[in-house]
Formats: sequence, structure tokens, C-alpha cells
Amino acid sequence: QVQLVESGGGVVHPGTSLTLSCRASGFTFSHYDMHWVRQAPGKGLEWVAIISHDGSNRYYADSVKGRFTISRDNSQNTLYLQMNSLRADDTAVFYCAKAEGSYYMDVWGQGATLTVSS
Amino acid sequence: QSALTQPRSVSGSPGQSVTISCTGTSSDLGRYNYVSWYQQHPGKAPKVIIYDVTERPSGVPDRFSGSMSGNTASLTISGLQAEDEADYYCCAYAGTYTFLNWVFGGGTKLTVL
Repeated sequence: QVQLVESGGGVVHPGTSLTLSCRASGFTFSHYDMHWVRQAPGKGLEWVAIISHDGSNRYYADSVKGRFTISRDNSQNTLYLQMNSLRADDTAVFYCAKAEGSYYMDVWGQGATLTVSS
Repeated sequence: QSALTQPRSVSGSPGQSVTISCTGTSSDLGRYNYVSWYQQHPGKAPKVIIYDVTERPSGVPDRFSGSMSGNTASLTISGLQAEDEADYYCCAYAGTYTFLNWVFGGGTKLTVL
């Protein structure tokens, strides 16, 4: 079945870096754009970034622009989110999601938890 | 980009109908007919229940329906069931020719009394 599995979350200090991964299965990964969406504790969903199916186009929310980099390896069916200069307000559950029709997210992973704390 | 505006909570009894509103601007929600709704149970990942304002993915009961008027989208759940108790988020595509962007609402907690 179609599945997304995130990994790489953890507890880090402010100012450090971390990379999240999202392994896809059950569909042709290279055919679809992919999103990252995050949810701070007790808060709502926030769109973070999208990458086109071939990796040629990437867009970011203003809150992460210049600090986060979305990338993908279609040969490994894996999506990445490299996060630099992490801040306390980046603490969240990060979900990867498959883009459908480009305008909504039809499949979501279970989430990876990032905690940024000194 | 500011979040779309949703009521923090709504409630209804089993069998009743509830409507959750989602208000934006002409720059986001009112720009395209690309509004989606997501259901999230505690500790779980979101699940799409409505896309393109009114469309239901396969497997989503027809008790869930969406609509839009101007800069306000609405999700109506009829024949409320206990398992409908969850958080609901609207989302609008707000991109341009040069920049892709999505905006979520703040979320609405649905309580089934």
C-alpha cells in the first residue's frame, strides 16, 4: 500500500542542524511532487516546503527560507529536509506528504518529532 | 502569509449536522478553487477528506461535504458519529506563477456530545 515513513527526528540544541528523511513505498515516487508540513505542540498545521517530482523546483515558507533545504533521491524513493540554524520555535512534528494534483496532500507519513532545546 | 481563520471549536450531538467555516482573503482562499480539508485524530497524521473545495477522496463518507462562497470555505458533516470527533483543518493553495505556497487554517476541534 502507499506509505510514507519519516525518520531522523530528535532533540537538538539551538543553532544546530538536523536532517529528516521520508521513505516512500507503494507508488512511483519520481512521478509526484512532495511536501513537508509541520505541527508545533498543541498547534495547527504549517506548510514548510515543496519539491517538484524531479527536484528541479523547490519552494519554502517564509519562516524556514534560507535555513531549511528540501531535496529528494528518486533512486532511493526518499525525501529529505535539511534543517540548519534551528530555533526553539522549530520544535514540531514534521510530516512528509505526497502531492496530488499539486494542490492538496493525499498521503501523509506518521511524522517525525523535532525538539529544539538548550 | 497569515493562517486562514477557523472557529476554535464546534460541537454537535450524534445524528446532527455541523458546519466548520474557514475564512481567508482574495489572495489565498478566494484566489483559486483549491481548498482542501484534513481530519486529524489525536496523535495521528492528518487525512484528507475534501479537496478542490467539494471533492471527496475515495473512501470518505458522503456525510462530509465542502462548499465555498467568496473568501469563505465550509465543511459540513451531517449525521454526526462519535468517530468524527477530531481536529479539522482547512488548507488553501495560495501560489502565483513564480511562487508556490499553501496556507492552513488554525484548526477546529469537533466535539461529539
